[in-house]
Amino acid sequence: GQQVMQIPQYQHVQEGEDFTTYCNSSTTLSNIQWYKQRPGGHPVFLIQLVKSGEVKKQKRLTFQFGEAKKNSSLHITATQTTDVGTYFCAGRATDKLIFGTGTRLQVFP
Amino acid sequence: EADIYQTPRYLVIGTGKKITLECSQTMGHDKMYWYQQDPGMELHLIHYSYGVNSTEKGDLSSESTVSRIRTEHFPLTLESARPSHTSQYLCASRKTGMSTEAFFGQGTRLTVV
Repeated sequence: GQQVMQIPQYQHVQEGEDFTTYCNSSTTLSNIQWYKQRPGGHPVFLIQLVKSGEVKKQKRLTFQFGEAKKNSSLHITATQTTDVGTYFCAGRATDKLIFGTGTRLQVFP
Repeated sequence: EADIYQTPRYLVIGTGKKITLECSQTMGHDKMYWYQQDPGMELHLIHYSYGVNSTEKGDLSSESTVSRIRTEHFPLTLESARPSHTSQYLCASRKTGMSTEAFFGQGTRLTVV
């Protein structure tokens, strides 16, 4: 079946440092979505990318969709303690929404 | 604020009991999903539905069953709970279409003792 892997699994950074998580799918995706789950919470939608090579920004967050539509990345510039949580990519090849393995971000003040 | 609700939020139950986890949404979404997630771990799709009377198994094998008799309601049932079923269960829904986000409920934390 479709697999969506993310690296790294964990990342600890000092506040102010940058952070990047990478998402790779075993199949071509029609689109890629990114979600954030705070500790003890549920996933919350951040953004969706649809076009090959698309880049979108949300304040300090930059999202990119690969040219082959099989990979994506999320980059956070100058992390803050409020960025703590697990970041998931989610791919949709059919009507199933398959989540990546997630990257847990810890930010130390 | 998403209009998708799960009950109960927490449940501790004995081995062998039958349980039903409730999920309801008032957004009129066709697509609904159940995910199983151990603390801090990845989300595993266990069931999904395209609409009324349509249910499919997800990628993670599960002993649970689901039904979709009404658009807004997607309950998950375990006929005989076991300690291995201890986990968090998250329900989600989204509109039909290419560019639609999923909305999640608060989840049910199930502990089988």
